[in-house]
Amino acid sequence: DQQVKQNSPSLSVQEGRISILNCDYTNSMFDYFLWYKKYPAEGPTFLISISSIKDKNEDGRFTVFLNKSAKHLSLHIVPSQPGDSAVYFCAASYNTDKLIFGTGTRLQVFP
Amino acid sequence: DTAVSQTPKYLVTQMGNDKSIKCEQNLGHDTMYWYKQDSKKFLKIMFSYNNKELIINETVPNRFSPKSPDKAHLNLHINSLELGDSAVYFCASSQDGHRGGAQHFGDGTRLSIL
Repeated sequence: DQQVKQNSPSLSVQEGRISILNCDYTNSMFDYFLWYKKYPAEGPTFLISISSIKDKNEDGRFTVFLNKSAKHLSLHIVPSQPGDSAVYFCAASYNTDKLIFGTGTRLQVFP
Repeated sequence: DTAVSQTPKYLVTQMGNDKSIKCEQNLGHDTMYWYKQDSKKFLKIMFSYNNKELIINETVPNRFSPKSPDKAHLNLHINSLELGDSAVYFCASSQDGHRGGAQHFGDGTRLSIL
């Protein structure tokens, strides 16, 4: 039973445009949500997180939006750059630091 | 200067063997984790330790035994390896198991069982 889902396995975006990566979850008890980026042959790297008491968190080019009623969060990258090409994982946790990951979305940013 | 380092990076071995993966972090963190990423790219937590004490122990076969000699090290020993153990194993660490904060990952150990 997958509690965190990323339904788009891949996304292709032109450089300079906005990239929007989506994530859905089923457990309403989740209280923290995180995004990680992963390059091939490397470990995931933390990008940004959001608490369930907020609906938006911003860090430079990265913004995460949380819609609790829809059990949906999204990561916006503006403007997208070729170096953003990677696999992006959504993760969630409740009451502990145990992270439950989605299966990832591969983002490709082309010139 | 690698923050979370795992050795070896690749491990190819026969079914039935026993192997260990080592992990060290130089971030001064109190909590360390082991994750398994299977062939479907699903990243799932196996264990977590806080200051050498086992905190999270997911439904993992007894053949997997983590050992933390000190808070900077968390090793994973696997007995009687099976084909289904083939995966990438990631070690991670965080400060005080801080929720919502970053877990820092190593680059993974790719385990292949022949």
